[in-house]
Formats: sequence, C-alpha cells, structure tokens
Amino acid sequence: EVQLLESGGGLVQPGGSLRLSCAASGFTFSTSAMSWVRQAPGKGLEWVSTISGSGDSIYYADSVKGRFTISRDNSKNMLYLQMNSLRAEDTAVYSCTKNLSPDVAVSGNWGQGSLVTVSS
Amino acid sequence: QPVLTQSSSASASLGSSVKLTCTLSSGHSSNIIAWHQQQPGKAPRYLMKVEGSENYSKGSGVPDRFSGSSSGADRYLTISNLQSEDEADYYCETWDTNTRVFGGGTKLTVL
Repeated sequence: EVQLLESGGGLVQPGGSLRLSCAASGFTFSTSAMSWVRQAPGKGLEWVSTISGSGDSIYYADSVKGRFTISRDNSKNMLYLQMNSLRAEDTAVYSCTKNLSPDVAVSGNWGQGSLVTVSS
Repeated sequence: QPVLTQSSSASASLGSSVKLTCTLSSGHSSNIIAWHQQQPGKAPRYLMKVEGSENYSKGSGVPDRFSGSSSGADRYLTISNLQSEDEADYYCETWDTNTRVFGGGTKLTVL
C-alpha cells in the first residue's frame, strides 16, 4: 500500500524559511516522479513542483520559482520542499503526491498534508 | 499551458445520478485528465483517469458507482446512486511538458 507522510509544517514569519519532508513507502520510490501540491484555506488545489525519479528533471510553478527548491533522497525514500522568502500567500496545506505512472503525470496518490502558516 | 474549466457547484438528490464536467482549453482536447475527490476536512483522493478516447480507469477501491467518459474537449465524472458521502469537492487535473494544472473544482451537494 502506497503511503505518503508529510512533516515539517508550522508557523513562520514573512521572509522566513521552512523545509517540508515527505516519507514514502509501499512502492519503488526511485522510479516514481513526485510532486508537491498546495491548497490555501478555502481555495482549490495548486500544483507547486515536480521532480523526476532520478532527480534530473525539476519543474516549478511560476508562483514559487526562485524561492522554493524540491529535492529527493532515494536512499531514504524521502521527498523535500525547501521554502525560502515565504509570503502570506504561501499559507496553505502542502501535500506530496506520487505520479500515477511514468506516462501519466497526474497525482495517483496523496499524502494527508502539512499546514504552513506564514504570519507575523 | 492547458486550462481546465469546471462548474463551481452542482447538486443532486440522494439516490440519483450526477454528471460533472471538466473542459480542456483549445489545443489540449486530447489530454488525459484525472478526477480527484476531496471530502470535507480530508486530503484529496485519486478517483480515475479519463482519456480522450472515452476510456477510463479507476483507482483502487473506487466504487462502481463512479464512472468516466469524454466527448471532444469535455471529460466527465458520473456518479450513480448518490450517497451522502459523495458530498465533496471534485477536481480535475492534467499536465503539459513542464507543468501540471488543476481545475477550479466543483462542490457537489447531495440533497
């Protein structure tokens, strides 16, 4: 059974930094592209970033480009999101997702999410 | 990049059927999309993928009451014999070369 468990969320001041982690199990992590998706309070889903299984290909939404960095450690089955220069509009529940398959780049599995609150 | 358009809300009676629509923007009418369900206070859950050929395949444990179909740029999610637990937000998702896109979501109310 695929399991994705996020951690690292919390309250941070504007301009601050935070690192989210996602522990993955139940599938071959090193061959699976992974993503971060966020949901602001009362709003819809927003894609944040995707990383290929090898880590060679990385993509970001324009809203976070230059501030957020996605990475992975395939030896530990871990996905990360380093968030710098945080803004109030980054307040959201952040979920890690696993691609449905190598050929279908949509979210096939979701974690339960980790809340990030950016406020002074 | 593709844009996905969904109605903001829908409603149907308990035990009836409802068909939700996700429309792909021009130039992306052949894209595969995924449907996700988000019950109140819960994380999203993958339901199925729907292809332009009208083929669809569901995720593990998704009830038979849920089905998918398509016509042109429209991708559909049909829920039959509506249950109270089907009251949720439903999102469609697709992708392009360097990006992923979600529709704005449809809030389904079961009357």
